[in-house]
Amino acid sequence: NAGVMQNPRHLVRRRGQEARLRCSPMKGHSHVYWYRQLPEEGLKFMVYLQKENIIDESGMPKERFSAEFPKEGPSILRIQQVVRGDSAAYFCASSVGTGSFTAFFGQGTRLTVV
Amino acid sequence: DAKTTQPTSMDCAEGRAANLPCNHSTISGNEYVYWYRQIHSQGPQYIIHGLKNNETNEMASLIITEDRKSSTLILPHATLRDTAVYYCIAQNRDDKIIFGKGTRLHILP
Repeated sequence: NAGVMQNPRHLVRRRGQEARLRCSPMKGHSHVYWYRQLPEEGLKFMVYLQKENIIDESGMPKERFSAEFPKEGPSILRIQQVVRGDSAAYFCASSVGTGSFTAFFGQGTRLTVV
Repeated sequence: DAKTTQPTSMDCAEGRAANLPCNHSTISGNEYVYWYRQIHSQGPQYIIHGLKNNETNEMASLIITEDRKSSTLILPHATLRDTAVYYCIAQNRDDKIIFGKGTRLHILP
């Protein structure tokens, strides 16, 4: 049973470009969570999604960031017009969902904006 | 979610038991105590969770006080690979994880 898969593992973008980060949850998991970790800082919650539904996006920046978890395919975290301050590790986690929050994390995508 | 308080850092000798404390004095009746850890640059890893009773799995033991205001994570025989930041979280099972600063555990050879 494969774990949570994130790709790419490393992503380099120039300022102003778009970054797309993908997360495939564990088999049987219908809930996905995205976190951001700036260098030498803690993990900050961004967004919580179910299939085709955003449950909680209280941690998402108001502009340039969006997330989706379609009926088919991976969850996508999209950052438009990236800036240097977006450079961070982005982690995705998945869980079975209601009644169980044992979350399993991927290895992260390290975004570098140059 | 109940706020938790953990020491900033701890040292433990390799082969000894590592005991990581956590205070959660405002925990409510339906909130669980979860422990995760993050080894340098990797994704966080679930360790164990509990509600009232003590719990044990292949990684660790969780001791929760009777009043549920504090708990201790025990790694019975710490190895160098256990060096990580350990997070204690008190929350409802249906909610997202909110990470605090955690305890940076150094295992000393």
